[in-house]
Amino acid sequence: GESVGLHLPTLSVQEGDNSIINCAYSNSASDYFIWYKQESGKGPQFIIDIRSNMDKRQGQRVTVLLNKTVKHLSLQIAATQPGDSAVYFCAEARPGYSTLTFGKGTMLLVSP
Amino acid sequence: NAGVTQTPKFQVLKTGQSMTLQCAQDMNHEYMSWYRQDPGMGLRLIHYSVGAGITDQGEVPNGYNVSRSTTEDFPLRLLSAAPSQTSVYFCASKRQFNSNQPQHFGDGTRLSIL
Repeated sequence: GESVGLHLPTLSVQEGDNSIINCAYSNSASDYFIWYKQESGKGPQFIIDIRSNMDKRQGQRVTVLLNKTVKHLSLQIAATQPGDSAVYFCAEARPGYSTLTFGKGTMLLVSP
Repeated sequence: NAGVTQTPKFQVLKTGQSMTLQCAQDMNHEYMSWYRQDPGMGLRLIHYSVGAGITDQGEVPNGYNVSRSTTEDFPLRLLSAAPSQTSVYFCASKRQFNSNQPQHFGDGTRLSIL
């Protein structure tokens, strides 16, 4: 989803559905990308990462897709569960830079 | 291992007061950083450190000081708190500063400036 002002874009799904969260990153020189999950009252938690020499990477129930041509990153969550409800952030890093740049986040709401 | 530990979890200050937010990691990580998180703004980098004795400014450094006298600790100081500094502050670390690795985050300090 695209960020709009002060309100987080929200994706609402039913339990068991597959979820897709999108992120447009800013710098074509970025070579490392991370997805984080943030539950209410907690710090961001690492989910999965991908380097720019890859198009796809799979973890447990999660897949990250990278399209460098259009500077787009997506996180796919299979068989979404209520425990997946959280805010999801993408982050990017440039070669030679130690810092991360974060996107504004997408809220995922999973109803039973 | 405790990971990244932040104290306090909550704090209320009056305008003009000073305070230090503590951050400690027990993973022997080289790199540590401070972010603030505001609604609709995502996480913005305040200051970071690539090793003991070395610090640098991030995207929003004004009003904040840091120091890194040990590998484990990276305190963030507000010298004269302003209402605009009301936010949630997160500390993070990673093993090597120049490697493609995820950062590990603490659970944050929720700071309100009245």
